[in-house]
Formats: sequence, C-alpha cells, structure tokens
Amino acid sequence: EIVMTQSPATLSVSPGERATLSCRASQSVSSNLAWYQQKPGQAPRLLIYGASTRATGIPARFSGSGSGTEFTLTISSLQSEDFAVYYCQQYNNWPPRITFGPGTKVDIK
Amino acid sequence: EVQLVESGGGLVQPGRSLRLSCAASGFTFDDYAMHWVRQAPGKGLEWVSGISWNSGSIGYADSVKGRFTISRDNAKNSLYLQMNSLRAEDTALYYCAKGAHRGAVASYFDYWGQGTLVTVSS
Repeated sequence: EIVMTQSPATLSVSPGERATLSCRASQSVSSNLAWYQQKPGQAPRLLIYGASTRATGIPARFSGSGSGTEFTLTISSLQSEDFAVYYCQQYNNWPPRITFGPGTKVDIK
Repeated sequence: EVQLVESGGGLVQPGRSLRLSCAASGFTFDDYAMHWVRQAPGKGLEWVSGISWNSGSIGYADSVKGRFTISRDNAKNSLYLQMNSLRAEDTALYYCAKGAHRGAVASYFDYWGQGTLVTVSS
C-alpha cells in the first residue's frame, strides 16, 4: 500500500497570506495525485487532479505542483472561505488501493 | 446538477450486517466508476471500495476486504455497499463518490454525496 504523508498537520495563516501544503508518497504515484478541501460538516470538494489541474470552478489562487513522490498545494492569497482541512489522495495503484493523506488543517493566525 | 444521495446508515450491533445505497442523478451513471469513502468521527478520509462502470473491475481497502461487497445497478442509477461482520472500527460517515473515469477504478473523485452515518455498537 502506498502511504501518503502531509505536512504540516496544522498551518496557521493570516488572511491574504500565502499557504504552502506538502504531500509525500511512499513510492512514486507519477502525477496521479488529487487535492481536496473539506470544511466542517461538509463533504470534501475536489480542488486539483493530475497533480496540477484545477477542477471545474476552483479559483486560480489554488495551484498544485509536483510529481513522483513530492507534491505541493499552494493557496496564493488566503481568503476567509479557505480555512479548512486539505487532503491529498493518490490513485496510482493497480489493483486499486486508493489512499489519502492524513490532512492539513489551515486555520486563522 | 450531479446529485449523490446516500441512505441505509444507522446503529447496528457488532457482527451484524447493513446495506448502504446511493442514488445518483444529473449525469450518465453507467459512464463512470463509483466509490465509497468513509470518515470516522473526527478523523481523516479512507477509501473503502470502488467499482467500474460495468462492474468488471472492483477494488477494496484491505480493512474491509472479505467483509464488504460493492455493487451497482445501472438501470436504477444506484450504487450499493453490503457490509457484513461489522466492527466498532467501521463506525464512520460513509460517502458515495463519483469517479472521474469509466473503467479505471483507481481515480480521483469529482462529486461527493453528503454521507450516511454508520454506528457499530452494542
């Protein structure tokens, strides 16, 4: 099973600042990496797939990069609605053993 | 508008069974793989199982393999999860999620339902 790790566990950021979240895979997942945002009491929302492609309707302030084992989600200028938990997910395996990272909570500094 | 509506959750004793359902609308159901993802209270996301458009390819997390069975009925635009031999650690909110691809079970999820809560307790 591919193990996903995320850092930091919690990121305290002021509105308007840049946030950089990291995700690491225990072995290469190529570019088969997605990012999700989850707010309290809500289902996750797809932000990024293919490591760097924004999903439909996702603002340009969200960007993804990386390949292989190291990935980054950057939020260029945090808005109040961006404070949430962010998960990375790999979908590279066959047979499918899709795995998520433990999440990074972005909260208000 | 894509809608995924889960049902069938509830309180169940350890060792018993439960069947979850997901009613899909707003897209061509048999064009896409479908998945179940769960989230234990206060915890992260865990993929449970996925099924390709024609049920020809199926995958399970190791934690549920041999106990859970995923299935779909394309004529009814519905996804199911039969959960047997339930354990306390299966307690979670179970989400139905739409895969982005048709045949590949290994996929990301572009739409999610609101979840149905399963509580396993005596």
